[in-house]
Amino acid sequence: EVQLVESGGGLVQPGGSLRLSCAASGFTFSSNWMHWVRQAPGKGLVWVSRINSDGSSTRNADSVKGRFTISRDNSKNTLYLQMNSLRAEDTAVYYCARIVWSGSPWAAFDIWGQGTMVTVSS
Amino acid sequence: DIQLTQSPSFLSASVGDRVTITCRASQGISSYLAWYQQRPGKAPKLLIYAASTLQSGVPSRFSGSGSGTEFTLTISSLQPEDFATYYCQQLNSYPYTFGQGTKLEIK
Repeated sequence: EVQLVESGGGLVQPGGSLRLSCAASGFTFSSNWMHWVRQAPGKGLVWVSRINSDGSSTRNADSVKGRFTISRDNSKNTLYLQMNSLRAEDTAVYYCARIVWSGSPWAAFDIWGQGTMVTVSS
Repeated sequence: DIQLTQSPSFLSASVGDRVTITCRASQGISSYLAWYQQRPGKAPKLLIYAASTLQSGVPSRFSGSGSGTEFTLTISSLQPEDFATYYCQQLNSYPYTFGQGTKLEIK
């Protein structure tokens, strides 16, 4: 079964750090670009970050630039999001997602994890 | 950044109704548009990509159309499981923005 499973969420104080993981199974992880998307409580979806298939290229939303780092370990079929200098406004469910046909008109996020909740509060 | 505006934001309808949701982009995005369904407490699910291509396994009552700056998602005959929130997303350029969502509720 094609699956993404996130972990690592929790409660953290403002200014703190957290690392999210996303374990992939059922597909060739090393061939796919991957993304993180977040959703604040009761709000819409917001794109956060992406990484190419071999990890050599990344891109972040302006709101997390300089604070969040996306990475991957293809030997472990795992995607990561290192989050530093966390703020209250980073409180959200974080989803990892696989993109297919990246860069083409057929591109879309076809597989999503179940999400992991990050709460930034003192 | 490309802004996506969905209308309406809320929609009340009955089982069997035909409904249409519109997504307007602030600049042309060709057909680089996807639609997702999200049920409460669940992850988004891909419905449509490339503006009009139905994802495998998605019922044929869902359809998409449009290109450039205006797009629509149509559900031809609402079923009970279709009551959810729907999002459009542009994949033309970074950041990959989403519309604000359309919540479809039972009348």
